[in-house]
Amino acid sequence: EDQVTQSPEALRLQEGESSSLNCSYTVSGLRGLFWYRQDPGKGPEFLFTLYSAGEEKEKERLKATLTKKESFLHITAPKPEDSATYLCAVPGYSSASKIIFGSGTRLSIRP
Amino acid sequence: DSGVTQTPKHLITATGQRVTLRCSPRSGDLSVYWYQQSLDQGLQFLIQYYNGEERAKGNILERFSAQQFPDLHSELNLSSLELGDSALYFCASSNDGGRLYGYTFGSGTRLTVV
Repeated sequence: EDQVTQSPEALRLQEGESSSLNCSYTVSGLRGLFWYRQDPGKGPEFLFTLYSAGEEKEKERLKATLTKKESFLHITAPKPEDSATYLCAVPGYSSASKIIFGSGTRLSIRP
Repeated sequence: DSGVTQTPKHLITATGQRVTLRCSPRSGDLSVYWYQQSLDQGLQFLIQYYNGEERAKGNILERFSAQQFPDLHSELNLSSLELGDSALYFCASSNDGGRLYGYTFGSGTRLTVV
C-alpha cells in the first residue's frame, strides 16, 4: 500500500536554530515527491517537486533533498514566519492523479 | 489569493442534511481535485475531474458525489451528513497533473455537522 510517513509530528525550534524534517515513502515507481506548506485555516501551498534521487531544490531558508526512500526538508536559520505545518506528498502507484499526503510536521519557531 | 475560489468558507448544518460545496479553479486549469482534511486523518484524496470528466477516485463515500461543469467549476455534494463528516474540504486545481508546479489549493470550506 502506498504510504507517506513524516517525522517528527511536531518540532519546536528557537529562531536561528537549523534542523531537518523527514519524509519516508513506500510507493512503487516514484513519480515525484512534493513538499507543501500549510498555515492554520488555509490550504496547502506548493513549495517543491523532486523527481530523482540526489536532486535538491532551494527556496529562501528551505532546502529539499531526495534519496531512494526518503526526503528531507532542511530549514536553515529559521524565522518565526517559517512556523507552519509542512506536508510531504507523492503520486499514488495505481493512479498518479491520486496524490497521497503525509500527516505533516508542525513546525514552531520561537523568537 | 491562490486563484482557486471555494464557497462557502464556513458551513454549519445538522445531521442528515445535504450540502453543496463549490469550487472555481484557477484560470486555465482543467483539473479539479477534492480533498478532505480532518484532525485524525490528515489530507485525504476524494475525487478528481478533468475537463468535465471523472478521472480518479479516492476513498469517497457513496453519500458524497461531485461534478465538474462546462465552465470548469466543480461542486461537491455531501448528503445524509454525519457528525464524522465535520472537516475542512479543500479544492485544488492544476493544468499539468501537478507534475511540475504541484496543485494550487483553495482556502477550504469548514463543514461542521451538529
